[in-house]
Amino acid sequence: AQKITQTQPGMFVQEKEAVTLDCTYDTSDQSYGLFWYKQPSSGEMIFLIYQGSYDEQNATEGRYSLNFQKARKSANLVISASQLGDSAMYFCAMREGGNYGQNFVFGPGTRLSVLP
Amino acid sequence: EAGVTQFPSHSVIEKGQTVTLRCDPISGHDNLYWYRRVMGKEIKFLLHFVKESKQDESGMPNNRFLAERTGGTYSTLKVQPAELEDSGVYFCASSELLGQVPGEQFFGPGTRLTVL
Repeated sequence: AQKITQTQPGMFVQEKEAVTLDCTYDTSDQSYGLFWYKQPSSGEMIFLIYQGSYDEQNATEGRYSLNFQKARKSANLVISASQLGDSAMYFCAMREGGNYGQNFVFGPGTRLSVLP
Repeated sequence: EAGVTQFPSHSVIEKGQTVTLRCDPISGHDNLYWYRRVMGKEIKFLLHFVKESKQDESGMPNNRFLAERTGGTYSTLKVQPAELEDSGVYFCASSELLGQVPGEQFFGPGTRLTVL
């Protein structure tokens, strides 16, 4: 079974508009961490935002926010005021368990294209 | 501070040949991970070092893959002999035992391996 599901292979958004990228996860652990990474065409993986399973508030980092709905096991990424430079692949990842050194499980990614 | 570096950035070899990929983690990071993304599929975990010890190698596909981490610093991933299905992008990541963001992994730019 897929541990991380990203149901949108591709998304388009108009510049300056907001966009939500979906991520659902599956784990039986009580302690886990959720991460979003951006991969532009240059190939590097850029960390965007983190949500811990015990964090009560949704994480925010500048234009990025994470809509964390624990009961539904979803951790959607919201990008506000999209910019052309936001065009990239976006990966949702999970670290299961309370061991911070545990490896990540990745979703298949969503390719976001920002239109001028 | 230098990020995670990987060498080479690209490698094209013929089936049956040997290739060695190198990763230099961020200085002081005890955790080092190898991941792989085969064309069109998810990024998959290969193995995890803590210092020079293999913590988890459950993702290694078969015994044609050998990873080492000399003295707990850089790591190499050798594929011998390479097969067509080994083509993909190999990512290395490193993390601190206790970082500002729990479990955040810093990724290298990847090595794109093409087996002909």
